[in-house]
Amino acid sequence: EVQLVESGGGLVQPGGSLRLSCSASGFTFSNYAMHWVRQAPGKGLEYVSAISTYGSNKYYADSVKGRFTISRDNSKNTLFLQLSSLRPEDSAVYYCVKPYDDSISYFDYWGQGTLVTVSS
Amino acid sequence: DIQMTQSPSTLSASIGDRVTITCRASQSISSWLAWYQQKPGKGPKVLIYKVSSLESGVPSRFSGSGSGTEFTLTISSLQPDDFGTYYCQQYNSHPCSFGQGTKLEIK
Repeated sequence: EVQLVESGGGLVQPGGSLRLSCSASGFTFSNYAMHWVRQAPGKGLEYVSAISTYGSNKYYADSVKGRFTISRDNSKNTLFLQLSSLRPEDSAVYYCVKPYDDSISYFDYWGQGTLVTVSS
Repeated sequence: DIQMTQSPSTLSASIGDRVTITCRASQSISSWLAWYQQKPGKGPKVLIYKVSSLESGVPSRFSGSGSGTEFTLTISSLQPDDFGTYYCQQYNSHPCSFGQGTKLEIK
């Protein structure tokens, strides 16, 4: 059974940092690009970041470019998102998502999400 | 980047009703469209991919149609468990993008 379990969220002051983790199981993690999608409270889904199978290619939405860093450890089946220079508008539930296949794809599995709140 | 626009934003319907949600893309996305259902406090769940392919385990009352820039999700006979928010997603080109969501309420 595929499982994606996010952790690392919490309350942080503007300008602060957090590191989100996503522990994956039930599939061959190193065979898939992985993605982060976020959802601000009461709002829709926003595609945030992606990383290729071995980390050589990375994508960031313009809203987070230069502040967030995506990475992965295939030996530990874990995906990371380093959040820096946080702003109140970064407050959201952050979901780790698995694509159906290793191309531009829909997402067949989502984690339960981890809540990041940026507030003083 | 491709923009996705859903309508309506909210929808109230009765059990047994036929419900249709529309999604429009700012440019052609061929057949690379998925639909998701999200319940409060949960991550989205894929219902349909490639416009009309039903994800395993999804009830057959859900169906999808369309091509190019205009797509629809139809629930043939609304059931109590169908409440929630529905999102379309294009995956024709990177970055993928989502519609703003349609909140479906049961009357």
